[in-house]
Amino acid sequence: EPEVTQTPSHQVTQMGQEVILRCVPISNHLYFYWYRQILGQKVEFLVSFYNNEISEKSEIFDDQFSVERPDGSNFTLKIRSTKLEDSAMYFCASNDRAYYNEQFFGPGTRLTVL
Amino acid sequence: AQKITQTQPGMFVQEKEAVTLDCTYDTSDQSYGLFWYKQPSSGEMIFLIYQGSYDEQNATEGRYSLNFQKARKSANLVISASQLGDSAMYFCAMREGTDTLMNYGGSQGNLIFGKGTKLSVKP
Repeated sequence: EPEVTQTPSHQVTQMGQEVILRCVPISNHLYFYWYRQILGQKVEFLVSFYNNEISEKSEIFDDQFSVERPDGSNFTLKIRSTKLEDSAMYFCASNDRAYYNEQFFGPGTRLTVL
Repeated sequence: AQKITQTQPGMFVQEKEAVTLDCTYDTSDQSYGLFWYKQPSSGEMIFLIYQGSYDEQNATEGRYSLNFQKARKSANLVISASQLGDSAMYFCAMREGTDTLMNYGGSQGNLIFGKGTKLSVKP
């Protein structure tokens, strides 16, 4: 069964450093998302991406965040200068228009900012 | 105002019994989708069930069913015959905007999640 994959599973970084979180969505999917979940809290939407551009973003997704689909398979989230409060689980998700009743989530990347 | 409200931070259920996890939502859209996800302690998000706002029948997927009461704006998850492996966090989520395939980019709506309910199944 196809699945969304994410790497790394856990990333530890120093405050102020740049991190890139990687995702490989399901191959025939067209819509991609990043969500984050601060420990013990609810899952929050960050950004959605379609047709090689951002289609929607939340207030959380400020100038320190960016997304990219550098090739036909990867979908990345870059945090330019990490802050302590960026520590969270980051989930990538994707869906295909034909199967719009489900967003498929990846296993997540746990980001720890020290 | 909260778009998705899950009023039960924690629930206990005896193994083999049924349990209902509450979810109410707030939207002015006529067309929307409601989802339930399970998050075990390992952290991944597992899709359980989906209900479209125009679906007349309550959604069912195996032991999961969604008690959809549109007038009350509630979408409660019912788990029948609870198993120990059902112990996890459960999140209700909503996607606003049209669900129809006729709409351009109709499936690109982001999900809005509730705060979750931690379900513990007792042996």
